[in-house]
Amino acid sequence: AQSVAQPEDQVNVAEGNPLTVKCTYSVSGNPYLFWYVQYPNRGLQFLLKYITGDNLVKGSYGFEAEFNKSQTSFHLKKPSALVSDSALYFCAVRTTSGTYKYIFGTGTRLKVLA
Amino acid sequence: GAVVSQHPSRVICKSGTSVKIECRSLDFQATTMFWYRQFPKKSLMLMATSNEGSKATYEQGVEKDKFLINHASLTLSTLTVTSAHPEDSSFYICSARKIVQGPQETQYFGPGTRLLVL
Repeated sequence: AQSVAQPEDQVNVAEGNPLTVKCTYSVSGNPYLFWYVQYPNRGLQFLLKYITGDNLVKGSYGFEAEFNKSQTSFHLKKPSALVSDSALYFCAVRTTSGTYKYIFGTGTRLKVLA
Repeated sequence: GAVVSQHPSRVICKSGTSVKIECRSLDFQATTMFWYRQFPKKSLMLMATSNEGSKATYEQGVEKDKFLINHASLTLSTLTVTSAHPEDSSFYICSARKIVQGPQETQYFGPGTRLLVL
């Protein structure tokens, strides 16, 4: 079965410091991995995805994620956090057959402190 | 761009009534749309996959007679919560699949609909 784990419910980081939001996955075959961000009472906004190619994927708002096949991880990173980055972040894996459903992690709340 | 809208954004209804939520892909055609339900401080739970011109595929445990899905066109899917009860109160989010080519497809999400059943 395919699954995604986000081990941290919340991550606190000071503004200007680098941030990392962790995600590990379990899939059969090649993984299609995604990061989304959700602001209060809003839908999910697409940040970035890994399908194939370079392990370091760059996305929106200065975010990037590193795909690590040996560690089955896809951690989200940003060199310098902003207060406005405070939100709920979801990692997702897409199934590789059928209707290509997304399986979401439980989400990590990022709090950037001024 | 890839914009998905939902209407209404917020709805309050009385127990026993039915509520319809619309999901539209504004600048692309979506043969497949998805409906999710999000509980407070929880992740998204996929309810069903909506396919244009055919019946929706429901996830295990989701009552298809309670959550009616219609995907009548390539840009519109609707979710109707029939005979709503307070336990149906939740945040409902739709997404539409934008197909570029092969594995490059990405889901784009609507802003969500907050349903409160009194």
